[in-house]
Amino acid sequence: AQSVTQPDIHITVSEGASLELRCNYSYGATPYLFWYVQSPGQGLQLLLKYFSGDTLVQGIKGFEAEFKRSQSSFNLRKPSVHWSDAAEYFCAVGPPRGGNMLTFGGGTRLMVKP
Amino acid sequence: KAGVTQTPRYLIKTRGQQVTLSCSPISGHRSVSWYQQTPGQGLQFLFEYFSETQRNKGNFPGRFSGRQFSNSRSEMNVSTLELGDSALYLCASSVDLNEKLFFGSGTQLSVL
Repeated sequence: AQSVTQPDIHITVSEGASLELRCNYSYGATPYLFWYVQSPGQGLQLLLKYFSGDTLVQGIKGFEAEFKRSQSSFNLRKPSVHWSDAAEYFCAVGPPRGGNMLTFGGGTRLMVKP
Repeated sequence: KAGVTQTPRYLIKTRGQQVTLSCSPISGHRSVSWYQQTPGQGLQFLFEYFSETQRNKGNFPGRFSGRQFSNSRSEMNVSTLELGDSALYLCASSVDLNEKLFFGSGTQLSVL
């Protein structure tokens, strides 16, 4: 069965510092990969997705993620964090043949220090 | 363009009751998915509908059911509510399968 692991439940970074959120997945084939962000009381917003091709994916709000097949990882990065980035971040995998049946990781809550 | 609309925003029910949650997708979107979010289990897939047909169902008991109407609006129903059904229920829509998902703000269900 597929699974997604986000090893860090909480991360605190200073504003302006770089950020890396980790995501590891287990799947029978190369899945579709996603990062979503959720602000308090809100639904989820898609930051970026990887289906195929270039393993470095650019997303919205200055985020990027790198797919590493050998490590079954899809880590999210941002070079300089803003206070408004404080939120919960979810990594997810979807079936290779498409469809919206996503499996989510447990999430990483990001706090930003001024 | 209006986003995904979920009603009601908050709901309080007692054990044994049933509840119906509603989701209006973005205009033109034909796919609707439902997810349950709890502090303990995280985000879990419930159902996926496309053009009124259920395409996939998650690992939930038969008390959880859903449907999609010809205008793409969707409802989910939970019968014989249990305390563990307390959760944020999120609806998401997309133009087609395998397209970008847009999530609503959810319905917060509390079962007392």
